[in-house]
Formats: sequence, C-alpha cells, structure tokens
Amino acid sequence: TQLLEQSPQFLSIQEGENLTVYCNSSSVFSSLQWYRQEPGEGPVLLVTVVTGGEVKKLKRLTFQFGDARKDSSLHITAAQPGDTGLYLCAGLTGNQFYFGTGTSLTVIP
Amino acid sequence: EPEVTQTPSHQVTQMGQEVILRCVPISNHLYFYWYRQILGQKVEFLVSFYNNEISEKSEIFDDQFSVERPDGSNFTLKIRSTKLEDSAMYFCASSIGRNQPQHFGDGTRLSIL
Repeated sequence: TQLLEQSPQFLSIQEGENLTVYCNSSSVFSSLQWYRQEPGEGPVLLVTVVTGGEVKKLKRLTFQFGDARKDSSLHITAAQPGDTGLYLCAGLTGNQFYFGTGTSLTVIP
Repeated sequence: EPEVTQTPSHQVTQMGQEVILRCVPISNHLYFYWYRQILGQKVEFLVSFYNNEISEKSEIFDDQFSVERPDGSNFTLKIRSTKLEDSAMYFCASSIGRNQPQHFGDGTRLSIL
C-alpha cells in the first residue's frame, strides 16, 4: 500500500495568514494531484503536477512537486474563509491513485 | 462545465441486502473509477474500468463487489451482500485518459443497518 502522509492534519488560522501543507511519501509518483473537498461533496481537482521540481500557481495557491517526485507542498498566501476545506493530495503510481490522509483547514474571519 | 453525477445521494440498506450505486461519468471520458471514504478516513481506491472491463482493482474490491457499464452513459457499482463495514461515502470519478486528472461526483452516502 502506497502511503501519502499529509501534515498538518488540522490547521486553524486567521484570515490573511499564510500557510503550507505538506504531502510526503517514500514512493515515487508519476504525477500528483491536489484536491479540495467540502463536507458532503466529492473532491474537486485543483492542480496536477507531473515534473520533478515543477511549481504551479493558481491565484493565491502555489503547488510544488519535489525533485524526486516523492513529495509535494501547497502554499496559500493571505488565506480567506473561502479556503476552508479538506485538502487532499493524490499520487499516481502504476494505474492507481493513492490519496493522502488529508489536511483540514479552517480560516477564521 | 460537465460534471460527474451520482445517484442516490443517500442510500440506507439492511445488512445482507444488495445495493446498486449509480454514476453518470462525463460524456467524453473513457476511464471510470470507484472510490470509498469511510467516515473520518481517507479516500480509498476500489476499481478502475476501461473499455468495458476492469483495468485495476484494490484488495478492498472483493467478490461481493462488481461494476458494470450497462449502457452508454451509466456506470454502476453493485455490492451483493452488504456488511456493516460497507457503510461509507462512495465516489465515482472519470477521466479522459488513463493517467489524466480525475473528476469526482458528489458521492453516495451508503448506510448499512
């Protein structure tokens, strides 16, 4: 079983603060995706990273894939209450996507 | 924007009964998936489906599970004899290609009594 550990598991911050969520594994992934999941809904794809060292930006969100393609990070600048949700990383190896343990983010107005 | 739709949103079933969860993937997608998320736990892969056959399945996907694409639009997950531990959110996803981003439905909450 491929294990993707996310940290922190829970994060509660004030509006306007910056934060970083980490996704780590001992396995190499051919690609890695980040999702956000709201309660009662399915995961919504945010970004896919494929190349080691790749950095992608989506407005205030910056995603980085580690050089060895074993880890990834998500950085949010100036967090807003609308960023509240469960952030999931999912790595592709072989033909399967393995989901991380999730980071529950709460942004307090 | 096209989306994956799942029905029902909530299914309550007696233990031992059969249940069928339904999904309509995005119309031009070719790969279909089922995932499970037990309350408070992470999303777990069950099965992937392409060209009318299973392409990969996890150890969770045992003989009580089956998938089918009965027509050109629906993709179903059947659980033959449900157990209490089958209670979970079941998510369907689809992608245009094998290793392409997957788009998820909103899930079916399955409650086994």
